Amino acid sequence: GAVVSQHPSRVICKSGTSVKIECRSLDFQATTMFWYRQFPKKSLMLMATSNEGSKATYEQGVEKDKFLINHASLTLSTLTVTSAHPEDSSFYICSAARSGQRFYAFFGQGTRLTVV
Amino acid sequence: GENVEQHPSTLSVQEGDSAVIKCTYSDSASNYFPWYKQELGKRPQLIIDIRSNVGEKKDQRIAVTLNKTAKHFSLHITETQPEDSAVYFCAALNTNAGKSTFGDGTTLTVKP
Repeated sequence: GAVVSQHPSRVICKSGTSVKIECRSLDFQATTMFWYRQFPKKSLMLMATSNEGSKATYEQGVEKDKFLINHASLTLSTLTVTSAHPEDSSFYICSAARSGQRFYAFFGQGTRLTVV
Repeated sequence: GENVEQHPSTLSVQEGDSAVIKCTYSDSASNYFPWYKQELGKRPQLIIDIRSNVGEKKDQRIAVTLNKTAKHFSLHITETQPEDSAVYFCAALNTNAGKSTFGDGTTLTVKP
């Protein structure tokens, strides 16, 4: 199946700093990637849809200036949490999609972000 | 937008019994319905999926049924084993749009 790689798997950062998370599709070109946030024992909440070569589409309530998304190539999307605060601590997961295929189904391994 | 409801939120069964998890969706444009298994601290893993032109799909001990008229779909696990214990999520999406909407998850516990 399609492989989606996310890095880093865990990160601890100080409050006020920024953290970048990478999502790569390793064996296919992803025109669209999705970024989710998951709280403990909760479902996946879609934060934004990342489209290659264009601006990301953010879901209602998600601050675009805080969660910067860049999809510069067909295999890489990045999520940068800017000026992180403890309430940003969460599990962030990406998934990659190619139109018309079933690759929507494949997720990165997730990033556990802890802001101290 | 799409709204997906999943029931039950927790399910406990004895090893060897069957488990059924049900989801309903609201958007008739949704045409793809995957199910995921997520173990603690790990990524969701696709276990089975069904497209809207199919009513049932089976893969060994796992099956999914879809009633498009009623807008509901279900996951059936037979002969459950302790390693089936995990959180299961259903999702619905329109493959033209690509955005998935997830259910709230079901924590399945299989007791030995």
